[in-house]
Amino acid sequence: EAGVTQFPSHSVIEKGQTVTLRCDPISGHDNLYWYRRVMGKEIKFLLHFVKESKQDESGMPNNRFLAERTGGTYSTLKVQPAELEDSGVYFCASSVERAGELFFGEGSRLTVL
Amino acid sequence: AQKVTQAQTEISVVEKEDVTLDCVYETRDTTYYLFWYKQPPSGELVFLIRRNSFDEQNEISGRYSWNFQKSTSSFNFTITASQVVDSAVYFCALRLNQAGTALIFGKGTTLSVSS
Repeated sequence: EAGVTQFPSHSVIEKGQTVTLRCDPISGHDNLYWYRRVMGKEIKFLLHFVKESKQDESGMPNNRFLAERTGGTYSTLKVQPAELEDSGVYFCASSVERAGELFFGEGSRLTVL
Repeated sequence: AQKVTQAQTEISVVEKEDVTLDCVYETRDTTYYLFWYKQPPSGELVFLIRRNSFDEQNEISGRYSWNFQKSTSSFNFTITASQVVDSAVYFCALRLNQAGTALIFGKGTTLSVSS
């Protein structure tokens, strides 16, 4: 069974540009989460989808970040326009149940120059 | 406020040594869950264990063991007879029962095991 996959593994962009990160959860997992780790700091929650609905987006830093999960399958996280402080590793995770074990992907490293 | 503290930023040991990774958490909730994740060089976060706040029994899984003590709000992780493959970043995390499913992570402890 394929795990959580994320693309791209690493993206380098300039300040002001747009980047879209993609996450494919484990098949059948209704719950999908985005987390972010900025260099040297904690991994922090961004948002949680249940199927295509945003269940909790309290961790989204500002309106430059837009997450979607059309059709309740894969999800995208767009940063537009990117700022230097957006650099970090963005993790996606999925789970079968809302309070179940989270399976994480390998993360997408974003570098904003 | 909820918080997880992993005071050890980096630990270096030689193979076969035992090593304990500390985790201290803060919460006023009575129902919560504690986790440990391993992040190997490949990058993904690998689930190791989940503990709920009502179960203080220590757990052993092979060379791994966990000591949960509510009295000191600690959930420490011990690797016995460490191996080079144990080298990774280890994260402790807290999830509250009533505040959704967001995990609150510590900053992680980087463990380096040399041969």
